[in-house]
Amino acid sequence: AQSVTQLGSHVSVSEGALVLLRCNYSSSVPPYLFWYVQYPNQGLQLLLKYTTGATLVKGINGFEAEFKKSETSFHLTKPSAHMSDAAEYFCAVSDQAWGGNMLTFGGGTRLMVKP
Amino acid sequence: SQTIHQWPATLVQPVGSPLSLECTVEGTSNPNLYWYRQAAGRGLQLLFYSVGIGQISSEVPQNLSASRPQDRQFILSSKKLLLSDSGFYLCAWKSSTDTQYFGPGTRLTVL
Repeated sequence: AQSVTQLGSHVSVSEGALVLLRCNYSSSVPPYLFWYVQYPNQGLQLLLKYTTGATLVKGINGFEAEFKKSETSFHLTKPSAHMSDAAEYFCAVSDQAWGGNMLTFGGGTRLMVKP
Repeated sequence: SQTIHQWPATLVQPVGSPLSLECTVEGTSNPNLYWYRQAAGRGLQLLFYSVGIGQISSEVPQNLSASRPQDRQFILSSKKLLLSDSGFYLCAWKSSTDTQYFGPGTRLTVL
């Protein structure tokens, strides 16, 4: 069975500081990995995804994530936080053993950005 | 381009009343469709998914049900709501690249 662990349910950074949101996964087959962002009372918006190929993936709003198979990690980073980045972020893994039909989500990390 | 709609956006219902939430997708054919729930302070819980008309799989036993009467329509229902049904309900569709795209959600409050 797959699982996703997001370390830190709440992360606080200052505006302009590095953002690092951690995600570790377990999967019995090569995973597809996703990061989504959710603003209050809105649906989830896809930030970026890793399927195959280059392990450093760039997404929207200046975010990127690196797939590290040896560490079973897919951490999300952004060099400089903006106030508008304050939101909840979800990491997810898609199990290709089931034809990619199912996503398993982490518990989410709420990012707070201080002025 | 594809779009996904959910309605209503918000709903306040008394305990024991029925429920019907609707999700429709435009710009794609025969998508996989999903219903998720976010309870307060908790992550996303997959409730149902559908790979085609009339085909529904349930992930969690509860007093909710789902139906897919048309290719791009997915409905979440209940005959009698419980307090614990309160939450934020999200519909999603899966693209050919195995990416799920989410609708704007429905905020349900059961009083």
